[in-house]
Amino acid sequence: AQSVAQPEDQVNVAEGNPLTVKCTYSVSGNPYLFWYVQYPNRGLQFLLKYITGDNLVKGSYGFEAEFNKSQTSFHLKKPSALVSDSALYFCAVRDIPPPGYSTLTFGKGTMLLVSP
Amino acid sequence: EADIYQTPRYLVIGTGKKITLECSQTMGHDKMYWYQQDPGMELHLIHYSYGVNSTEKGDLSSESTVSRIRTEHFPLTLESARPSHTSQYLCASSDGQGREETQYFGPGTRLLVL
Repeated sequence: AQSVAQPEDQVNVAEGNPLTVKCTYSVSGNPYLFWYVQYPNRGLQFLLKYITGDNLVKGSYGFEAEFNKSQTSFHLKKPSALVSDSALYFCAVRDIPPPGYSTLTFGKGTMLLVSP
Repeated sequence: EADIYQTPRYLVIGTGKKITLECSQTMGHDKMYWYQQDPGMELHLIHYSYGVNSTEKGDLSSESTVSRIRTEHFPLTLESARPSHTSQYLCASSDGQGREETQYFGPGTRLLVL
């Protein structure tokens, strides 16, 4: 079975500072990893994904994520946080490339608060 | 944002009423999903479909039902709403095949059952 852990319910960072939102995963096969962001009263927006290749994945809004197979982690990062980055962030994993029969498993979410 | 739509966005309804939450996408995606999101933020998959006339139950047991008569439409129905159904419901569809498949979400329906 696949699972995702986001160990922090909330992350606080000052604007202009680097941010990291942590995610660890457990899968039986090769992991396919995703990050989504949710703003208040909105659905989830896709940020980035890791499928294969380069361990550093770049996504929308200046975010990037680093895949570390030995630590089974996929932490989300941004060099300089903006107040507008304040939102709820979800990590998700899928371990079997679908011929149509696998689904995503989401973490519990991490609230990111960026202070001015 | 992805072209996936949900109506209504907000719904307040009394116990025992039948409700249908609408979800439509214009991207021609075969795969569609319904998630229930707790007030505490966690998402739970309640239904999914891999194409017309295909529906499956998800990880979280739900009293709701779904149908998939057209590719673009994936409505969710509660025959008799209860306060325990109060939640946010998110619809998603996915593109791509194999490893590249990515889910895209609608804006959600926030349901309050009194």
